[in-house]
Amino acid sequence: AQSVAQPEDQVNVAEGNPLTVKCTYSVSGNPYLFWYVQYPNRGLQFLLKYITGDNLVKGSYGFEAEFNKSQTSFHLKKPSALVSDSALYFCAVRSLSGGYNKLIFGAGTRLAVHP
Amino acid sequence: GAGVSQSPSNKVTEKGKDVELRCDPISGHTALYWYRQSLGQGLEFLIYFQGNSAPDKSGLPSDRFSAERTGGSVSTLTIQRTQQEDSAVYLCASSFQGTDNEQFFGPGTRLTVL
Repeated sequence: AQSVAQPEDQVNVAEGNPLTVKCTYSVSGNPYLFWYVQYPNRGLQFLLKYITGDNLVKGSYGFEAEFNKSQTSFHLKKPSALVSDSALYFCAVRSLSGGYNKLIFGAGTRLAVHP
Repeated sequence: GAGVSQSPSNKVTEKGKDVELRCDPISGHTALYWYRQSLGQGLEFLIYFQGNSAPDKSGLPSDRFSAERTGGSVSTLTIQRTQQEDSAVYLCASSFQGTDNEQFFGPGTRLTVL
C-alpha cells in the first residue's frame, strides 16, 4: 500500500535554531513528494515538491527538503526558524491506483517555534 | 487573480438533512480535488476531477457522498442524510492539469452536523 508517515505530532524549536520536520513514504515506482503548510486560520499553501533531479529541493519561505531514496524519506528543513513558521505541516506523496493519480497526505506535524 | 473560493464558509445542519458545498476553482485549472479535514486530523482525499475524464471517486466514504463538476469549472459536493461524523472542514483544491503540479486550496467549508 502506498502511504506517507509523519512520525512526530509536534516539533518544538527555539527561534533561530535549525528545524527538521520528518516524513517517510512508501510508494511503488518513482515518488513524487510534496510539502504543504497550513497557517492558523488560513488555507493550505504549497511549499515545495520533488519530482526528479537534485535531492535537495528549495521552496518557499526559506524551507528546503532532502529526498533520500535509500531511507525513503523527505524531511523538511530550515536553517534558522522564525516564530512565524509556527504552523501545521503536511507531507504528501503522489499515489497511482486504479489508473488514477492522487495525493496521499500525512497526518500533519505541528511546528511550534518559541521566541 | 482570484484564488479558489468555497461557499458557504460555515454550515450548520441537523442530522438527516442534505447539504451542498460549492467550489470555484482557479480559472484554467483542469484538475479539481475535494478533501476532508476532521478536527486535529490530516487531509482525507474524497474525489478528483481531471478534465473530461471520469472522476476518481475512490475516497468517497459512503454512497451518501457525491460530487459533480459542471462545465469543467464549478464543483458541488453533496452529502445526503448527514450524520454527526460528517462534521469536518471540507477543502477544495485545483491545479493546472494533474497531480504533478501544485494544488491551490480554498479556505474550506466548516460543516457542523447537530
